Amino acid sequence: AQSVAQPEDQVNVAEGNPLTVKCTYSVSGNPYLFWYVQYPNRGLQFLLKYITGDNLVKGSYGFEAEFNKSQTSFHLKKPSALVSDSALYFCAVRGAYSGAGSYQLTFGKGTKLSVIP
Amino acid sequence: NAGVTQTPKFQVLKTGQSMTLQCAQDMNHNSMYWYRQDPGMGLRLIYYSASEGTTDKGEVPNGYNVSRLNKREFSLRLESAAPSQTSVYFCASSRQVEAFFGQGTRLTVV
Repeated sequence: AQSVAQPEDQVNVAEGNPLTVKCTYSVSGNPYLFWYVQYPNRGLQFLLKYITGDNLVKGSYGFEAEFNKSQTSFHLKKPSALVSDSALYFCAVRGAYSGAGSYQLTFGKGTKLSVIP
Repeated sequence: NAGVTQTPKFQVLKTGQSMTLQCAQDMNHNSMYWYRQDPGMGLRLIYYSASEGTTDKGEVPNGYNVSRLNKREFSLRLESAAPSQTSVYFCASSRQVEAFFGQGTRLTVV
């Protein structure tokens, strides 16, 4: 069975400092990996994805993520944090393809990011 | 540019009542999903539909039923609501890779 671990429930970072939100995964075969962000009382917004190719993936709002196959990790990063980045971040992995364009997306439990002014 | 639309946004039910959560997408996606979000649990898959006319159980299907009415619509039904079903419910759709989510339905069962 596939799984995602986000080892930190909360990450605090000062505005202007670099941030990292950690994610490790377990899945059969090659992984498709995703990061989503959730602002209070809102749905999930897609940030970025890794399918294949370059291990460093760039996404929305200046975020990027680094895929590391040997460590089965997909950490989310940003060079300079903004107060507006404060939100709940979810890592997700794509499961086994089950035909007709379907797949099961498994999420981590989420990491609350707080950027301190 | 609606994307994925869920109704209602909020609902309070008494134990034992039934209700249907509605979801519609206008992106011509084949696959649709229902998740529930609980504090500290992340998102857990309830049911999904690979295409019109097919549905499959996810991680936590007990107490729920679904209907893929057509390509656009995927509804979630609680036949006899229980307090353990108090949660925020999200519908999502996808074509091939990433999923797109609705704004959620906050359901409270008292």
